[in-house]
This record gives sequence, structure tokens and C-alpha cells, in this order.
Amino acid sequence: GAVVSQHPSRVICKSGTSVKIECRSLDFQATTMFWYRQFPKQSLMLMATSNEGSKATYEQGVEKDKFLINHASLTLSTLTVTSAHPEDSSFYICSARAGTGGYEQYFGPGTRLTVT
Amino acid sequence: DAKTTQPNSMESNEEEPVHLPCNHSTISGTDYIHWYRQLPSQGPEYVIHGLTSNVNNRMASLAIAEDRKSSTLILHRATLRDAAVYYCILREGNSGGSNYKLTFGKGTLLTVNP
Repeated sequence: GAVVSQHPSRVICKSGTSVKIECRSLDFQATTMFWYRQFPKQSLMLMATSNEGSKATYEQGVEKDKFLINHASLTLSTLTVTSAHPEDSSFYICSARAGTGGYEQYFGPGTRLTVT
Repeated sequence: DAKTTQPNSMESNEEEPVHLPCNHSTISGTDYIHWYRQLPSQGPEYVIHGLTSNVNNRMASLAIAEDRKSSTLILHRATLRDAAVYYCILREGNSGGSNYKLTFGKGTLLTVNP
């Protein structure tokens, strides 16, 4: 099956700093990528949807200036958490879908962010 | 948004079949039924999806009720590696189109006993 990777798998940062998470589709071109967040014992919450070369569409309640998403190529999307705070600590998961006829959505392994 | 209802948890014994139910009484005619599972500390993994007919693949089978208001994911022989949270999701968007997003509910936590 198609593979989606994320880097880093774990990151610890200090409060007030920014951290960037990369999501790559390794063996297919992803015209659409998604970013989810998951708090402990909870389900995945969709944060935003991005199409290659376009601005991301954010879900209600997600601050676009805090969570910067860039989908500059068909195989790479990045999520930057700006001015991170402890409440941003979470499991961030990206997902990618191919273009035409791509009904399946493939998920990355997730990135554990801890803000101290 | 069309929603799904699943039991919070289920338990099974190793090498026995497991039937995971999902109710989706407000499903529309163009909604596909997707199943994903999430192992601890990992991203979700695609399991199976269907529209009206029952579906089989190497991982599982999907049985869809005739009125499409419910479906059942069937693991034919559970293994310890099948212990995960199983999500039943209705694909939003137009049938045949790629413009949809997956909205996750709480899922069913499956425990497999040795």
C-alpha cells in the first residue's frame, strides 16, 4: 500500500518556540493532504485540508495563524506550530490522498509534540 | 454530517471471529462506509470500504445491511495484533468524487485475549 511518512516522530520544544512537522507521501503524488490532532484517549480531530499549491482550509476553531500549513509539492506538506504552548502538546497525524480516483486515504505514523 | 454509532469497546479471544457493529441510520445514498483502525501510538490504517454490496479483502470483510443503515466489520480470526480502535466512518462528499474528508468518531476499542 501507499506510504506516508512524518518527521520527526517525537519532538519536545519550549513554550513560545515554533516547531515544524513534515509529512511526505513516499510512493504516490498527494494532491490533497490532511492534518489531524489527537489528544490522549480521544479521537482524531481534523485540523485542516490542503491541496497542492493552494491555501489550506481550516476547520472551525483551528487558528490558521498558529498552525501554518504549507503544501508546496505533490509529496510534501508541512505543519508549523507557532509560539507553541503546553496545551498544544498532542499527537499530530497527517494523511494524504492521491488525485484522480484516489478514494483511499493514507495516514502517517504521527508526531508526538510535547511543549514544556 | 452523517454520523455513526459504535460500541465503546468489545472483547474477543484469539483465533475467534469478531463482529464489530456500526449504525449509520442517517446515511445518504451516495455515502461510502469506510473502516479504519488505529493501533496504539500509530496513525490510522485503512481496513476496508464499501457502498452497498458486501466486501472482502485480506484483512477483513464488510457486511452492509440491505437498508444501509448499519454495517458490520468482520475479522475472521482475531490475533493479538488486531487489538486496536476501529473506526467506522461515512465518506462525505459526492459519490465518485475525490473531494471528501473523513470525520472520526470515538470508535470501538477491541481487546483480544490470548
